[in-house]
Amino acid sequence: DSGVTQTPKHLITATGQRVTLRCSPRSGDLSVYWYQQSLDQGLQFLIQYYNGEERAKGNILERFSAQQFPDLHSELNLSSLELGDSALYFCASSVSTSGGNEQFFGPGTRLTVL
Amino acid sequence: GNSVTQMEGPVTLSEEAFLTINCTYTATGYPSLFWYVQYPGEGLQLLLKATKADDKGSNKGFEATYRKETTSFHLEKGSVQVSDSAVYFCANYNQGGKLIFGQGTELSVKP
Repeated sequence: DSGVTQTPKHLITATGQRVTLRCSPRSGDLSVYWYQQSLDQGLQFLIQYYNGEERAKGNILERFSAQQFPDLHSELNLSSLELGDSALYFCASSVSTSGGNEQFFGPGTRLTVL
Repeated sequence: GNSVTQMEGPVTLSEEAFLTINCTYTATGYPSLFWYVQYPGEGLQLLLKATKADDKGSNKGFEATYRKETTSFHLEKGSVQVSDSAVYFCANYNQGGKLIFGQGTELSVKP
């Protein structure tokens, strides 16, 4: 158990819908990262927050957005969903933004868009 | 920008065989390098890391050495077990705050 929790574990929805994925980092970790894992794209970094502020952005679509709240949990919002958005979405956390710090991954949310 | 290239899988080995999974990277400067492992149905776990050239990371019998001259970070284990069956990801840390992952290499160890 990494200490990072993600809800829900599975999510099935229809095209055009909007969903929210939730992540609680390990106690004491200020940095939260979101990743998308799909068969065709592999594991891709989406976005990073540190202590409530956006720090880095990766291959995140404009239909996707995220935020980190004062209690440090984070939410990833996916809207106007398309079939291609079906993937595993991982959240990770780390103590800081330092490059040598380990990122601890949650178990993931499997999103299926029908 | 940074990138990571891993050998393609799946890799199938017999128990107690020697394992090598190749990983090469491109990067600006000297990034930290990582191997993560993903067991079936689970999230990624850090297996080992190295933060500077010639560092050797090791854990659970796995080793990898940060080779600046060949821009490589190959994963090795002398004697694999069935419980090592998983997907292994090589990654480097970009200055922009993100881990760049390779495509993953699936390892299957047969008894």
